[in-house]
Amino acid sequence: EVQLVESGGGLIQPGGSLRLSCAASGFTVSSNYMSWVRQAPGKGLEWVSVIYSGGSTYYADSVKGRFTISRDNSKNTLYLQMNSLRAEDTAVYYCARVSAAYYGMDVWGQGTTVTVSS
Amino acid sequence: QSALTQPASVSGSPGQSITISCTGTSSDVGGYNYVSWYQQHPGKAPKLMIYEVSNRPSGVSNRFSGSKSGNTASLTISGLQAEDEADYYCSSYTSSSSVVFGGGTKLTVL
Repeated sequence: EVQLVESGGGLIQPGGSLRLSCAASGFTVSSNYMSWVRQAPGKGLEWVSVIYSGGSTYYADSVKGRFTISRDNSKNTLYLQMNSLRAEDTAVYYCARVSAAYYGMDVWGQGTTVTVSS
Repeated sequence: QSALTQPASVSGSPGQSITISCTGTSSDVGGYNYVSWYQQHPGKAPKLMIYEVSNRPSGVSNRFSGSKSGNTASLTISGLQAEDEADYYCSSYTSSSSVVFGGGTKLTVL
């Protein structure tokens, strides 16, 4: 079964760091485009970052320089390293598989909640 | 990158049809056929309903259809059912090699 399972969320103080993980099963992370999308409480979806199968990475302006997307091929896992966290980073973070053919996100995880607060 | 523009809410009665618009620019919606639509029920992850403007993934009802004209894409749901009540988001690939979402539309089935 094709599945994504996120973990690593929690309560963190402003300025702190957190690493989110997204374990994939049923397909190979490194052969696909993979993305992180977040949703602040009561708000809409916001694209955060993508990593292409070739390794290129792109970020939303709101997280550029603070967040890093990466993957561990041996663990078939996607990561999001989040540094210098701000209150406005509070959200549910979803990982998703992105079709390289049409840029649609066809597989989503259940999400992990990040709360940035003192 | 500014969010795509969607109406905040739409509503319709069971059996009716509704259309949700999604307006962007020539750098996203108008420049590429990589427009997708997602359905999200409360507390759940989004679900891909339409990709590449008008294609439906396997398993998605043919009551859902998509189209595009210029910088505006549209999602039409025909034969509204109670289970269609959800939030709907459009997204597009952009000239910056990023993805941009719409602000979301809450569909109420009366």
